[in-house]
Formats: sequence, structure tokens, C-alpha cells
Amino acid sequence: ELKVEQNPLFLSMQEGKNYTIYCNYSTTSDRLYWYRQDPGKSLESLFVLLSNGAVKQEGRLMASLDTKARLSTLHITAAVHDLSATYFCAVDDNTDKLIFGTGTRLQVFP
Amino acid sequence: KAGVTQTPRYLIKTRGQQVTLSCSPISGHRSVSWYQQTPGQGLQFLFEYFSETQRNKGNFPGRFSGRQFSNSRSEMNVSTLELGDSALYLCASSSFIPGQGQEYNEQFFGPGTRLTVL
Repeated sequence: ELKVEQNPLFLSMQEGKNYTIYCNYSTTSDRLYWYRQDPGKSLESLFVLLSNGAVKQEGRLMASLDTKARLSTLHITAAVHDLSATYFCAVDDNTDKLIFGTGTRLQVFP
Repeated sequence: KAGVTQTPRYLIKTRGQQVTLSCSPISGHRSVSWYQQTPGQGLQFLFEYFSETQRNKGNFPGRFSGRQFSNSRSEMNVSTLELGDSALYLCASSSFIPGQGQEYNEQFFGPGTRLTVL
């Protein structure tokens, strides 16, 4: 059974700093998704990563996938307050079903 | 293009009652999935429908059921509600078509229905 772990669970960071969120998964998959959720809101799709070595960037966020290590990272560059949210990775279990990680709650302060 | 809509947005029920939640996918999307989100268990997959057929099912008791109509709208039903069923129920739709060799199944989420069981 596919298990997806994220760390850290909570991340409090100062504006302007860089940090990385990690997403590990337990069985082979080559389709991984990153979502963002603001408090009280639904999930917004950020990135779709489909192959080993895939890298996607949007603004201050960059996501990468290493299928051999079963690891994806979401890197935040020069954080700003608007990035405060909970970030989820989700992995396709090869039956088109998404298994979500625990989420990383990010808080950016001045 | 309108997004995924869910009704109602909020619902309060008591233990033992049943509830039906509704989801209208993005126009043209035929795949609909349901998830339960709780602080303790996180986001858990309930089931997925495509063309009125259930394709996938998560590890939930039989009290949780769903269906999809010919217009792709979907409903989920929870019978004999328990306190632990209090959660945000999210519906997601995608343009994914099984067996067509599409690369991925990107899902777009609705705003959710927040169910409180007293």
C-alpha cells in the first residue's frame, strides 16, 4: 500500500528566506502532484511532475521529482507572506488514485 | 469556465441521520473523485466515478456510498452518521479518460462541504 510522508509538518519562516519541503513515498510511481490549500479554502493545483528529473517552477516555488529515490521537493525561494498556506503532495498509486501526504503548514512572518 | 461546485457548503446533522452531498464537475469533465479531510487523518480518498461507474474505492465503511449521473454530476451519501464523520468533504473533477493513455490525472477541487455531526 502506497504511503506518502511529508516533512516538516509545520514550517515557520522569515520573509526572504529559502526552505524546502520534502515528500517521500513508499512504492514506485511516476506521477506526483503538489497542491496548495489556504485556510478554509479548497485545494489549488500547483504542479504536475511526470518523470524522473522533472522540474517545474512558478514564481518563488520550484518542484522536482526523483522517482528512483521516491522523493519530491518543493523549494521556496525568498519567501513572502502570500505563500503562507498548507502544501500537500499527492502521489498516483498507479490505479489513478491519489494518495495525499500529511501536508506542510507554512507560515511566513516579517 | 466555471469550476467544481459543491452543495451544500455547510451541513449540521445529528448522529444516526443520513446525508447526501452533491458535486457538479467542470464542464466536460467526466471523472469525479471524493475525499474526506479531517485534522487527524488528513486527506483520504473515498471513491472515484467515471461515466456513472465506480472505478476506485478507498478504505471506508459501506455507510459511505456514491453515484454519478449521466451528466457527470455526482452525489455521495453517508448513512447512520457518526461523530467521526465530521469533516470537510471535497469533490474533484478531471478530464482524465481511463484507457486513453493520458499522461496524468490532474484533479481540480471544489470548495468542499463542511459536515458537522452532533
